[in-house]
Amino acid sequence: QKEVEQNSGPLSVPEGAIASLNCTYSDRGSQSFFWYRQYSGKSPELIMFIYSNGDKEDGRFTAQLNKASQYVSLLIRDSQPSDSATYLCAVNRGRVGKLSFGAGTTVTVRA
Amino acid sequence: GAVVSQHPSRVICKSGTSVKIECRSLDFQATTMFWYRQFPKQSLMLMATSNEGSKATYEQGVEKDKFLINHASLTLSTLTVTSAHPEDSSFYICSASVLAGVSYEQYFGPGTRLTVT
Repeated sequence: QKEVEQNSGPLSVPEGAIASLNCTYSDRGSQSFFWYRQYSGKSPELIMFIYSNGDKEDGRFTAQLNKASQYVSLLIRDSQPSDSATYLCAVNRGRVGKLSFGAGTTVTVRA
Repeated sequence: GAVVSQHPSRVICKSGTSVKIECRSLDFQATTMFWYRQFPKQSLMLMATSNEGSKATYEQGVEKDKFLINHASLTLSTLTVTSAHPEDSSFYICSASVLAGVSYEQYFGPGTRLTVT
């Protein structure tokens, strides 16, 4: 079983719609969860982090965490073509910030 | 967020030569940095954890004698690819860990694209 699994893509959504990305993790002791966005040919950029169960909103992004189900998700509202990228889910593996990454979900927003 | 730089951004070298990549934290001190490799259309692969003042911790399957890591100061870690071969051509990305509240956050450098001819 992989440490972090993401829903397979690619995910194509029309402009203005909601893009929903899912991620599950295997280590029940994980405490911190991150979403990174990676444009083609670029390095990952941190867009959201969440530590507590529930929802966390930042602009058009909402992260949702359910530790009992070992599930974390990212919603992108009012999707824009500039949101087209690969989204990486990451889970903290240790006390110095070592992360386990999912394989990523590629999102394409159609104009 | 914290800023991490990498140099060079792109390098082409001949097979058999060595290449050094620098990773710097610009506005914070990082006791821990990480080195990743990413092949086209694949996810990040953690190569090693770079610890300031001590030896790096390598992931399983990563040759420590081939990928030399030095973390000489709280703002600089270097990765040297020794005796590079074409199969070492990849996108190398470093990151630095920052303690933010109750958890660490990881910020990435812009990456170095290595091509070995």
